[in-house]
Amino acid sequence: GNSVTQMEGPVTLSEEAFLTINCTYTATGYPSLFWYVQYPGEGLQLLLKATKADDKGSNKGFEATYRKETTSFHLEKGSVQVSDSAVYFCALSSRSNDYKLSFGAGTTVTVRA
Amino acid sequence: NAGVTQTPKFQVLKTGQSMTLQCAQDMNHEYMSWYRQDPGMGLRLIHYSVGAGITDQGEVPNGYNVSRSTTEDFPLRLLSAAPSQTSVYFCASRDGTVNTEAFFGQGTRLTVV
Repeated sequence: GNSVTQMEGPVTLSEEAFLTINCTYTATGYPSLFWYVQYPGEGLQLLLKATKADDKGSNKGFEATYRKETTSFHLEKGSVQVSDSAVYFCALSSRSNDYKLSFGAGTTVTVRA
Repeated sequence: NAGVTQTPKFQVLKTGQSMTLQCAQDMNHEYMSWYRQDPGMGLRLIHYSVGAGITDQGEVPNGYNVSRSTTEDFPLRLLSAAPSQTSVYFCASRDGTVNTEAFFGQGTRLTVV
């Protein structure tokens, strides 16, 4: 079945630091890959996605590249801000799994001023 | 456009009580699902529906019932609450394709005492 393994946190950074959150996956077929973000007290919202190998998703300064050869979708941001403090979830969806979204455990990121 | 609306936001139940968590979406999405979020475990799928009249079990369905009589509504029923069901519950909807994002409600924080 499908599964997502995500770097465990929590991660604490200073403002303007570089952020990487590792994500690897196991899936049959050709999944679509997503990063969702959850700000305190809110539901999840889509941050970025990639739907085929070598696609790069980007949004709000975050990037992630769909690497089929390493089954990875690592999230990166070059210079974080306090407002980036949130929980980040890697997820995948595939036809072979009835379109269900499978989530990683989530990584809590705290950015200090 | 309200998106996905969940009620209530907070609830305290006594062991053995039953209740219904409401979820409604106004985007005409076919696919709706319920997740629970527990620390260190990410989001786990409870039940999902691929259209009105069709429901199926996710990873952790025991103790929960769902129905889907309309496209818009997907209530989650706790039959006899247990302390192990203390969690944050999220409803989500998406259209019926693998590439599209899921839209989440704000969540219901449930405590069973």
